Formats: sequence, structure tokens, C-alpha cells
Amino acid sequence: KAGVTQTPRYLIKTRGQQVTLSCSPISGHRSVSWYQQTPGQGLQFLFEYFSETQRNKGNFPGRFSGRQFSNSRSEMNVSTLELGDSALYLCASHGLTTVTDTQYFGPGTRLTVL
Amino acid sequence: GESVGLHLPTLSVQEGDNSIINCAYSNSASDYFIWYKQESGKGPQFIIDIRSNMDKRQGQRVTVLLNKTVKHLSLQIAATQPGDSAVYFCAERQGSQGNLIFGKGTKLSVKP
Repeated sequence: KAGVTQTPRYLIKTRGQQVTLSCSPISGHRSVSWYQQTPGQGLQFLFEYFSETQRNKGNFPGRFSGRQFSNSRSEMNVSTLELGDSALYLCASHGLTTVTDTQYFGPGTRLTVL
Repeated sequence: GESVGLHLPTLSVQEGDNSIINCAYSNSASDYFIWYKQESGKGPQFIIDIRSNMDKRQGQRVTVLLNKTVKHLSLQIAATQPGDSAVYFCAERQGSQGNLIFGKGTKLSVKP
């Protein structure tokens, strides 16, 4: 079974631009979560999508948004980029059973804002 | 702020020794805990998980212990190998639809 894939792997943008990142979950997984990872703040939850609906949201400004498609693929968008948005953006997919909620991560997209 | 933290930011062990990585959490309502391993340039890799109705769970060379009385979680790695060198994160989930909250990570360095 293929793992979680994220595209692109690396991205360089300038302040004020916007960016869209893509995530394809493990086949059969219907839930996708996004995280931002920085050396200073660690792994921080952005949002979670399940069946095309945002189910949970972290404490990030409205410049960060996302969506999920009917095939469970998800995108996240960051508008009006700031230097502080430079980070590794990780996507995790999970099957959402009632017993466990193991999340499997993709390799991430490394975003650099200049 | 984060409710999951780590006692040791770095841990250096000799190859073949056992490693113990600790984690404290503050929310007694957390019902599910996971340990992840992250190697340089890669996303976090699932190691082992445990639900709050258990106090111990074993995997291949790894054991997770949960002490709900003191809100403490630990990961034990037996016969540590150079390939175990990575940053280890604990994470907790609060409720069946809660998001995962991660600790800041412990860097494990294995000396040959």
C-alpha cells in the first residue's frame, strides 16, 4: 500500500505571495491532518479534514486554509506569505477507527519564504 | 500552550544499550498516545501507540509505558542501534475527535 505523498517537496516563495501544497492520503483513509513544523515551535496542528469537511482547526491565522476533495486528497493554501511561514508542512492521513487514531505522515513540503 | 513535554531534549547512548525516552503530559482527559520517530529530512514515522486503558504495550524492540497517576509516558528501545538515531516525539490526543498534540522532541544519538 502506497504511503502518504506530498507535493511539491521543496518550495521557495517571496513575502506576499501565496502557496498551495498538496497531499494524497493512504488509499482508504478518509481523514487528513496538516501540521507545521519549525525548530522553535515544533509540530503544530493546522487543521483536519474528514469527508471534505474541516473537522478541527488549530490556532493559526486565517491566511492558512485548506480543503479536501471527494477522493480524500487535500490541499492547503497559505496567502500573503510571511518570513515566519518558512517551515516543514506535514500531512498525515488516518483511517479514523473508534479504537485508535494512528496518523501516518508524508515526507513533508519544505517551504522557504524569502 | 502545549500540554505535552519532554524531560530530556537530547539523549546519547552506546550501541547495544537500552534507551529510555520520557514524556510528560498535563491533560488527564487524554485517551490516546503515540510515539513517532523522525529522521533528518523525513516525516515522522509511527513507532507505537497506547490507549489510556492500558499501562504497557510492546512492539518489536520497543515498549511504551503509561503512568496515568503521574501523567507520564516513556518509550523504551532495547538494544539500541545506530539506525535508531533520530528525534522522537510523543503525542497525545484528547477525545475521539481531538487533534494530536506533540511534544518538542528528544534527539537520540547512538554511539557505535
